[in-house]
Amino acid sequence: QVQLVESGGGLVKPGGSLRLSCAASGFTFSDYYMSWIRQAPGKGLEWVSYISSSGSTIYYADSVKGRFTISRDNAENSLYLQMNSLRAEDTAVYYCARQGSGSGYDLEYWGQGTLVTVSS
Amino acid sequence: SYVLTQPPSVSVAPGKTARITCGGNNIGGKSVHWYQQKPGQAPVLVIYYDSDRPSGIPERFSGSNSGNTATLTISRVEAGDEADYFCQVYDISDHPGVFGGGTKLTVL
Repeated sequence: QVQLVESGGGLVKPGGSLRLSCAASGFTFSDYYMSWIRQAPGKGLEWVSYISSSGSTIYYADSVKGRFTISRDNAENSLYLQMNSLRAEDTAVYYCARQGSGSGYDLEYWGQGTLVTVSS
Repeated sequence: SYVLTQPPSVSVAPGKTARITCGGNNIGGKSVHWYQQKPGQAPVLVIYYDSDRPSGIPERFSGSNSGNTATLTISRVEAGDEADYFCQVYDISDHPGVFGGGTKLTVL
């Protein structure tokens, strides 16, 4: 079955960096677009970034553009999110999600999430 | 940017039908997906492309989309359906997608 397991979250000071990882299994990772979605405490969902199956197409939300970098290693079945210059407003649970096969950007499977807390 | 409006809360008695709306300008012309999120858990896709149901999702969950409103309908509501429900819209002009603010479904 499809499994997505995030890691790398934690407490970091404003201006600091973190690298999130997502280990995928149970499907052909290289066939799917992958995304990072975040949810601030008690808030709704925000699409942070996505990357195409080959890595050639990448999207970032305006709120993270220039600070976050998404990448993937299809040989290792892994997705990454490098987060630099972190701000208090980046505090959230970060979910890794697999997009569906169609063009409608549905998020078919989600990991359990990893909490990032930005605080001094 | 495109705005999706969901009621903050909906309450329903067990065995009854719950309807959760997602409003947006001409949303009927867009693809709508719905997610269920139980406390402390990740979201789960329950309806995609307006009315399709992923495998494993009960037939009690259905969706519709027309005009300015998309609706998630849950028939014969059970206590286990209590959760937050989010709609998400994809349209080329709102790439890759916009989420509604979420609706908390309470089973009385």
